[in-house]
Amino acid sequence: GIQVEQSPPDLILQEGANSTLRCNFSDSVNNLQWFHQNPWGQLINLFYIPSGTKQNGRLSATTVATERYSLLYISSSQTTDSGVYFCAVGGYNFNKFYFGSGTKLNVKP
Amino acid sequence: DAGVIQSPRHEVTEMGQEVTLRCKPISGHDYLFWYRQTMMRGLELLIYFNNNVPIDDSGMPEDRFSAKMPNASFSTLKIQPSEPRDSAVYFCASTPGHFYGYTFGSGTRLTVV
Repeated sequence: GIQVEQSPPDLILQEGANSTLRCNFSDSVNNLQWFHQNPWGQLINLFYIPSGTKQNGRLSATTVATERYSLLYISSSQTTDSGVYFCAVGGYNFNKFYFGSGTKLNVKP
Repeated sequence: DAGVIQSPRHEVTEMGQEVTLRCKPISGHDYLFWYRQTMMRGLELLIYFNNNVPIDDSGMPEDRFSAKMPNASFSTLKIQPSEPRDSAVYFCASTPGHFYGYTFGSGTRLTVV
């Protein structure tokens, strides 16, 4: 299967700081998504971004499919950004959809 | 739209009992997925449906697990008999198709004692 590596595994930020989370994957993909799992366990879809750049408020994401990586940018972080950020990749087959192990973010007030 | 709705939110049951988890996908989403999340194994796909038809159930751990989707607005995941190692958070997700993101439900935290 496709290997998905996320870095860093853990990140502690002071409120207001910016951060970049990285997702590397081992093969070509047609589907790449970023999720945020909040401290209550809820999984929220942030971006569907198999290529290119998207922005949503303080969050933006860029995927360079040819180089097999994606970046998630968080600007002016807030305590509500805390949680685990997952990158997930796959092709046209839904049974071949692979989640990374996540980046655990803790934003301190 | 109310999103993907799962019930119950929490379930505590004794080993050997039957457990049924429920999911209502977003209207118009043709694909429905059941995932399981544990600390050891992360998020695992158990089964997915397309237009109410099970397409791939290779992730279902064993015969104790079964899933149905009798119509476009309802799916169940049943465990019979349950075992302590089934304790996990079970998520349901739906999507309109291949080129869209997934929407996850809030999950059911299952504890088998």
